[in-house]
Amino acid sequence: AQSVSQHNHHVILSEAASLELGCNYSYGGTVNLFWYVQYPGQHLQLLLKYFSGDPLVKGIKGFEAEFIKSKFSFNLRKPSVQWSDTAEYFCAASNDYKLSFGAGTTVTVRA
Amino acid sequence: DGGITQSPKYLFRKEGQNVTLSCEQNLNHDAMYWYRQDPGQGLRLIYYSQIVNDFQKGDIAEGYSVSREKKESFPLTVTSAQKNPTAFYLCASSIKRALNTGELFFGEGSRLTVL
Repeated sequence: AQSVSQHNHHVILSEAASLELGCNYSYGGTVNLFWYVQYPGQHLQLLLKYFSGDPLVKGIKGFEAEFIKSKFSFNLRKPSVQWSDTAEYFCAASNDYKLSFGAGTTVTVRA
Repeated sequence: DGGITQSPKYLFRKEGQNVTLSCEQNLNHDAMYWYRQDPGQGLRLIYYSQIVNDFQKGDIAEGYSVSREKKESFPLTVTSAQKNPTAFYLCASSIKRALNTGELFFGEGSRLTVL
């Protein structure tokens, strides 16, 4: 079955620390990959996406993600986090009309 | 403003009662989706609809029903057959040609509590 797994349930960081959230998928064939973010009290929104081409994808707010096909991974990174990055982050994958989400990682950034 | 409106935001229900959650969008999107969000489990797809008068079951459709009589509306009924209905429900939409691109637009969600 197609699935998406996220390595960390809850990450706690200090401001200016670097962030890396792991994501692995089990889809076969061509896959589209995404990271969504849900800030406290706000809608779930798209952070970045990968369809094809350069495996290093830049998103909003300084986030980037790297697609490594051999590892079935799509890890999210940010070199220096801010307090405003406190949110829940969801990795997602799609290969047709359905989008499957990981369980989510709660990121808490301490000022 | 264009967007997705879900109502009610909070809902309490007694066991054995059906309840319907509303989802309306004015984005002119063809596809609409219902997800259920539980702590530690992420979002799981309940039902989706790619076009008016058509819908398909997602991963956890048992105990739920939907209808898609209008393009802008995709209500979800949580029936008494749903064994664990207390959850946060999210409605989403996308343009048809973006069905496999994952660019979904989400509503604010409805929190259902069964007493």
